[in-house]
Amino acid sequence: DQQVKQNSPSLSVQEGRISILNCDYTNSMFDYFLWYKKYPAEGPTFLISISSIKDKNEDGRFTVFLNKSAKHLSLHIVPSQPGDSAVYFCASTNFGNEKLTFGTGTRLTIIP
Amino acid sequence: DVKVTQSSRYLVKRTGEKVFLECVQDMDHENMFWYRQDPGLGLRLIYFSYDVKMKEKGDIPEGYSVSREKKERFSLILESASTNQTSMYLCASNQGGSGNEKLLFGSGTQLSVL
Repeated sequence: DQQVKQNSPSLSVQEGRISILNCDYTNSMFDYFLWYKKYPAEGPTFLISISSIKDKNEDGRFTVFLNKSAKHLSLHIVPSQPGDSAVYFCASTNFGNEKLTFGTGTRLTIIP
Repeated sequence: DVKVTQSSRYLVKRTGEKVFLECVQDMDHENMFWYRQDPGLGLRLIYFSYDVKMKEKGDIPEGYSVSREKKERFSLILESASTNQTSMYLCASNQGGSGNEKLLFGSGTQLSVL
């Protein structure tokens, strides 16, 4: 039972353009959402998060949008840079729960 | 610089061997986790621990056990390694509690079981 889904296994974007990565969740108890970035042979690193009381959170080139009614979140990267090429995982939990549930990941490739 | 350290980056083991993966964190975090990452399956939780000597099963605990004798150290044990346990293993920790869910990961151990 995949509670967090990333339906696009891969995405290619031209350098300088916007990258949009999507994530859907099924558990209505989830109220805290995170994005992680992972390079090959390294551990995931935290990128940005959002709580359910907000619908948008921005940090530099990265913006996360949350649509609670659709149980959908997205990560926007603009402008995309070659160093953004990595696998991106979304993760969800509810406040106070120690465990994160991760999606299957999307491999983003930025084309120079 | 705070970090989670996994003792090995790469390991090659034989089927049936007992395998120990070690993880140490220096942030005095309460919670520690073991995940495995497989292509197309994302990160799946194997076990986690919320206190010394305490453990809980994650989503895929079969074939694994864990040990947490000290707060900073969390070990994953494969009692009898099998080829389907070939994977990237990731250790992580967090302080826990509301607002402290963010995980800090180690660099991972790529385990190959032949």
